[in-house]
Amino acid sequence: TQLLEQSPQFLSIQEGENLTVYCNSSSVFSSLQWYRQEPGEGPVLLVTVVTGGEVKKLKRLTFQFGDARKDSSLHITAAQPGDTGLYLCAGPKEGGAQKLVFGQGTRLTINP
Amino acid sequence: NAGVMQNPRHLVRRRGQEARLRCSPMKGHSHVYWYRQLPEEGLKFMVYLQKENIIDESGMPKERFSAEFPKEGPSILRIQQVVRGDSAAYFCASSPATGTGHEQYFGPGTRLTVT
Repeated sequence: TQLLEQSPQFLSIQEGENLTVYCNSSSVFSSLQWYRQEPGEGPVLLVTVVTGGEVKKLKRLTFQFGDARKDSSLHITAAQPGDTGLYLCAGPKEGGAQKLVFGQGTRLTINP
Repeated sequence: NAGVMQNPRHLVRRRGQEARLRCSPMKGHSHVYWYRQLPEEGLKFMVYLQKENIIDESGMPKERFSAEFPKEGPSILRIQQVVRGDSAAYFCASSPATGTGHEQYFGPGTRLTVT
C-alpha cells in the first residue's frame, strides 16, 4: 500500500521564522504534488515535482523531491500569517489510473 | 477562466434521504475525480470519470454511492439513503485530457451533513 506520511502534523510558529515540513513514503512516486487548503475551501495546487533531486521555488516556498523519489520537503522562509493553512502532499497511485494518494497534511499556523 | 465549480457548497440531509452533489470541471478539462475528506484528514479517492465513462471506481463504496459524467452537463455524485457516517466534505477535481492527469485542480467542495 502506498502511503504518504507528513510531519509534523501540527506546527505553530511566529511570523518571520523559517520552517520545513516533510512528506515521506516507503514507495517510489513518479511525481509528487503539494497543495495548500484553507478552511472551507478546496486544495489549491502549489507545485509538482517530477525528477529525483529536483528543487522548485515559489517565492518564499522551496520544494524538494528526494533523489529516490520517495520523499519531499517544503521549506518556507520568513513565514507570514498568510501562509497559514493545511499543506497536503499527494502522488499518483501506482498502476491506478490517475488517482492521487494524499498525506494527512500538516496544519501550519503562523502567529503575527 | 472559471475554475472547478461545485454545488451546493453545503447540504444537509436527514438519514435515509438522497444527496446529489454536482461538479462542473474547468473549461477544457474532460477528466473528473471525486474525493472525500473527513475532518483533520487528507483526501481519499473515490472515483475517476471521463465523459460518459467510469474509469476507476475502486474508492467508492459498492452500495448507495454512484457517480456519472454525462455527455452534457455536470458530473453528479449521488448518495442514496444517507447515514451519519456519510457526513464529510466531498471534493471534485478535474484535469485536461492531455498530460498525466497527476495535476488535478480542485473545486471548493460540498460539505454534507447528515442529521
